[in-house]
Amino acid sequence: DQQVKQNSPSLSVQEGRISILNCDYTNSMFDYFLWYKKYPAEGPTFLISISSIKDKNEDGRFTVFLNKSAKHLSLHIVPSQPGDSAVYFCAAKKTQGAQKLVFGQGTRLTINP
Amino acid sequence: EAGVAQSPRYKIIEKRQSVAFWCNPISGHATLYWYQQILGQGPKLLIQFQNNGVVDDSQLPKDRFSAERLKGVDSTLKIQPAKLEDSAVYLCASSAAQKGRDEAFFGQGTRLTVV
Repeated sequence: DQQVKQNSPSLSVQEGRISILNCDYTNSMFDYFLWYKKYPAEGPTFLISISSIKDKNEDGRFTVFLNKSAKHLSLHIVPSQPGDSAVYFCAAKKTQGAQKLVFGQGTRLTINP
Repeated sequence: EAGVAQSPRYKIIEKRQSVAFWCNPISGHATLYWYQQILGQGPKLLIQFQNNGVVDDSQLPKDRFSAERLKGVDSTLKIQPAKLEDSAVYLCASSAAQKGRDEAFFGQGTRLTVV
């Protein structure tokens, strides 16, 4: 049962353009969502998060949008830079109870010069 | 502040052998996670500790995998005996888990190859 899904295994974007990574979830009890970035041979690093009480959170070039009715969130990176090339994971959790952090399959983003 | 430390970084073993991984979380972090990441997939939670108690081990193959968290700090994950399908990166993470709205910090992982 894949509760968090990233349906695009890969995405290629030109440098300077906007990158949009998508994520869907099925568990309506999730109320906190995170994006992680992973370079080869390293562990995932936290990028940005959003609580279910918000629909948008912005941090520099990174913005996360949450559509609760559609159970969908997206990460926007603008402008995209070569250093953004990595695998991006969407994750979700319930902030009450066990707070289990569930990950999607990841999207490999490649920024082309 | 020191990050999450894991060792070893790499391990190659033959099937049916045993292996153990070690994790030292960020100081003061109450929650510790062990994840298994198979190539091309997202991290899958194996076990989650809150202090030294287990809060979720529903996806831990308990016939061969075991984990403990010593005095609510360091943790070890053991596989005995290993199978070929256990080849993966094993990631340890920790979080302060003060109010639930905090991120988990990951170590670099241990890449296990079972031959």
